[in-house]
Amino acid sequence: NAGVTQTPKFRVLKTGQSMTLLCAQDMNHEYMYWYRQDPGMGLRLIHYSVGEGTTAKGEVPDGYNVSRLKKQNFLLGLESAAPSQTSVYFCASSYRGQMYGYTFGSGTRLTVV
Amino acid sequence: DAKTTQPTSMDCAEGRAANLPCNHSTISGNEYVYWYRQIHSQGPQYIIHGLKNNETNEMASLIITEDRKSSTLILPHATLRDTAVYYCIVRVGRMDSSYKLIFGSGTRLLVRP
Repeated sequence: NAGVTQTPKFRVLKTGQSMTLLCAQDMNHEYMYWYRQDPGMGLRLIHYSVGEGTTAKGEVPDGYNVSRLKKQNFLLGLESAAPSQTSVYFCASSYRGQMYGYTFGSGTRLTVV
Repeated sequence: DAKTTQPTSMDCAEGRAANLPCNHSTISGNEYVYWYRQIHSQGPQYIIHGLKNNETNEMASLIITEDRKSSTLILPHATLRDTAVYYCIVRVGRMDSSYKLIFGSGTRLLVRP
């Protein structure tokens, strides 16, 4: 039972490069979320999905795109990375949005130089 | 959604009870209080939640005042592994497409040996 798995765990990008962060869950959860966390701050919601094929914007969506082609996977894309996107990215999933049942991944530490 | 106010940091001695307060004076009747914690560099972990009755589970107790304008998370016998950032979140407890956790800055709890 892996829960929520994020890949990669670490990445260094140059400004302007693109990349995709992958989140996979094996709990059959309908809802999935992408958060970012900057040093000393709480988590901020980037995008979320309430089901396969649907996505919605969170608090800080600019500069990111997402896709949910399969129920178990939620992809976060950076088309042209900027230093301001240096952060730790967390993926989470939940059963139909139940807020006591969020399961988080271990995070992806991204540095943009 | 109701706004929450938490102290920036607290400390307690190992083996003693840790009492973490949260103010949510604008809470509405259908909003729940949720507590999550984040141990260094890990994804947040669900602790407990409640509507108006006090709640207890294997991790903690949640005491909600009668007017529901504040609550206290109690870790009865804090250990060094309880050192973490604790988030108090107030949200409506229904399932719809706008159903998502929004994190504030939380309380940084340091458990001293």
